[in-house]
Amino acid sequence: EAGVAQSPRYKIIEKRQSVAFWCNPISGHATLYWYQQILGQGPKLLIQFQNNGVVDDSQLPKDRFSAERLKGVDSTLKIQPAKLEDSAVYLCASSLGVVNEQYFGPGTRLTVT
Amino acid sequence: DQQVKQNSPSLSVQEGRISILNCDYTNSMFDYFLWYKKYPAEGPTFLISISSIKDKNEDGRFTVFLNKSAKHLSLHIVPSQPGDSAVYFCAASGGGTSYGKLTFGQGTILTVHP
Repeated sequence: EAGVAQSPRYKIIEKRQSVAFWCNPISGHATLYWYQQILGQGPKLLIQFQNNGVVDDSQLPKDRFSAERLKGVDSTLKIQPAKLEDSAVYLCASSLGVVNEQYFGPGTRLTVT
Repeated sequence: DQQVKQNSPSLSVQEGRISILNCDYTNSMFDYFLWYKKYPAEGPTFLISISSIKDKNEDGRFTVFLNKSAKHLSLHIVPSQPGDSAVYFCAASGGGTSYGKLTFGQGTILTVHP
């Protein structure tokens, strides 16, 4: 079974630039999550999708972050404009449903200079 | 407001001995707890979980204990192996938040010496 795929793996941008991350969840998984993990901290949930609807985006900085999950499969997370404090690893995870274990992708390491 | 805390940033153990990783939480409404393991440059991998209706769950070398009155859980690894060296995160769900939302601790770096 293929795991959660994410791209790119690494990205370096300057502050005020924009960036987008892509996630392909495990086939058949209805729930998709985006997490932000800052160095030395645990992952923090940014947004949770159930199929293509948003379940929770309470911790998503909506003035600069946006995410979509078209057709209930792939998802993209965008930051525009980026700030220095956005430097982190962005993890995508998926699960069969909300009560199942979450499977994580390898993450995208973003460095904002 | 850190609702899930792992107060030990690191733990060093000799191969073959027991590793005990600890986690404390403040939200008494959390009802499901998980442990994840993370290797460098990889995403976290699910290890073991426990529901709040239980106080112990075992899976091979891994056992998770839950003490609801103390709002404390621990992960025991016996015997520890060098391949267990990784960052371990505890996570909790429930607590009035959206179902499935995980709140993670800061992580504990486990090093198992041969």
